[in-house]
Amino acid sequence: DQQVKQNSPSLSVQEGRISILNCDYTNSMFDYFLWYKKYPAEGPTFLISISSIKDKNEDGRFTVFLNKSAKHLSLHIVPSQPGDSAVYFCAASATEYGNKLVFGAGTILRVKS
Amino acid sequence: EAQVTQNPRYLITVTGKKLTVTCSQNMNHEYMSWYRQDPGLGLRQIYYSMNVEVTDKGDVPEGYKVSRKEKRNFPLILESPSPNQTSLYFCASSPISWSRGAYEQYFGPGTRLTVT
Repeated sequence: DQQVKQNSPSLSVQEGRISILNCDYTNSMFDYFLWYKKYPAEGPTFLISISSIKDKNEDGRFTVFLNKSAKHLSLHIVPSQPGDSAVYFCAASATEYGNKLVFGAGTILRVKS
Repeated sequence: EAQVTQNPRYLITVTGKKLTVTCSQNMNHEYMSWYRQDPGLGLRQIYYSMNVEVTDKGDVPEGYKVSRKEKRNFPLILESPSPNQTSLYFCASSPISWSRGAYEQYFGPGTRLTVT
């Protein structure tokens, strides 16, 4: 039973356009959400996070939106660059679960130049 | 440089031959964890440790062992590997969070294991 779902296995976007990666979760206990980026032959690296008390968090070209009522979050990348091509993982955690992260299956983003 | 290191990066072995994948971090983090990544399943937690001599099972612990004798090291042991343990393995570390959800975890570069 996957508590964190990334329903799009892959996404292809033209350079300069917006990339939108989506993530849904089922566990209402989750109160902190993270996005990780992973290049081939490397480990995942932290990208951006959001607490459940917020609905938006921005960091440069990256913005994460959280819709608690829909149990949905999305990562927006504007403008997309070829170097953004990677696998993006959504992860969730809950204060009650300590330091455990629950990951989605990942979305492969390809940014075409 | 703050980092998590894993060795080996690639390993091909045969069923039943015991192996150890090492993990070390230089950030003085209390929390360490092992994950496996499989297509369509994302990263699933195998074992984790909250501090020295404190370890616990994650979501997929069967067939694995860990130890935490020193704060910086967290080896993953496969006593009798089987083909279904062929996977990409990641070690991660972070500070302990007591008052909120997990802190951002730092990941090692991964170990690709093939069991034939």
